[in-house]
Amino acid sequence: SAVISQKPSRDICQRGTSLTIQCQVDSQVTMMFWYRQQPGQSLTLIATANQGSEATYESGFVIDKFPISRPNLTFSTLTVSNMSPEDSSIYLCSVATGGGYTFGSGTRLTVV
Amino acid sequence: KQEVTQIPAALSVPEGENLVLNCSFTDSAIYNLQWFRQDPGKGLTSLLLIQSSQREQTSGRLNASLDKSSGRSTLYIAASQPGDSATYLCAVRQVTAGNMLTFGGGTRLMVKP
Repeated sequence: SAVISQKPSRDICQRGTSLTIQCQVDSQVTMMFWYRQQPGQSLTLIATANQGSEATYESGFVIDKFPISRPNLTFSTLTVSNMSPEDSSIYLCSVATGGGYTFGSGTRLTVV
Repeated sequence: KQEVTQIPAALSVPEGENLVLNCSFTDSAIYNLQWFRQDPGKGLTSLLLIQSSQREQTSGRLNASLDKSSGRSTLYIAASQPGDSATYLCAVRQVTAGNMLTFGGGTRLMVKP
């Protein structure tokens, strides 16, 4: 299965600033997925990122708040913009491989 | 809309016990079901993947079963160890809805020495 390198692993940010999270996959994949996991909650899909087209956002998530880039088949970034304490969560990227899904190690974001 | 439920939400057992975690889903039109482990503040580690045509999968002390018609899966952990302490998540992959993954709320397991 694919191996995903996700950075940063954690960060503490000031409200009103932005943070960009990176995911690098060791093989080419068509779709990459970005999830949010709020404290004590399960995972919620933010958006699906396809190379060469705009990301598809789930209900409740918008591009202005969570812009995504997908410049090639092995890399994607998610930016959390104009952060507030409510954005404090674990953010994870994922790819589909061999029928199942592989996840990055997660980015633990705390907004103060 | 698919809904995935995991019972119990939390479980505390002494070391050495065999235990069963439950996962149920409302829409049986799934492609597969996957069990993950998550350590606090970390990402997800895939444990077992069961295709919709399969009944069970085994890996070491772990055994996962799937009854698609009744919308249920179980994860059996034999001879539990303190290192098994983590949150266990099940997720179903839909046949429709762009192969979307829907997660359960997780079972937080504590194995006491």
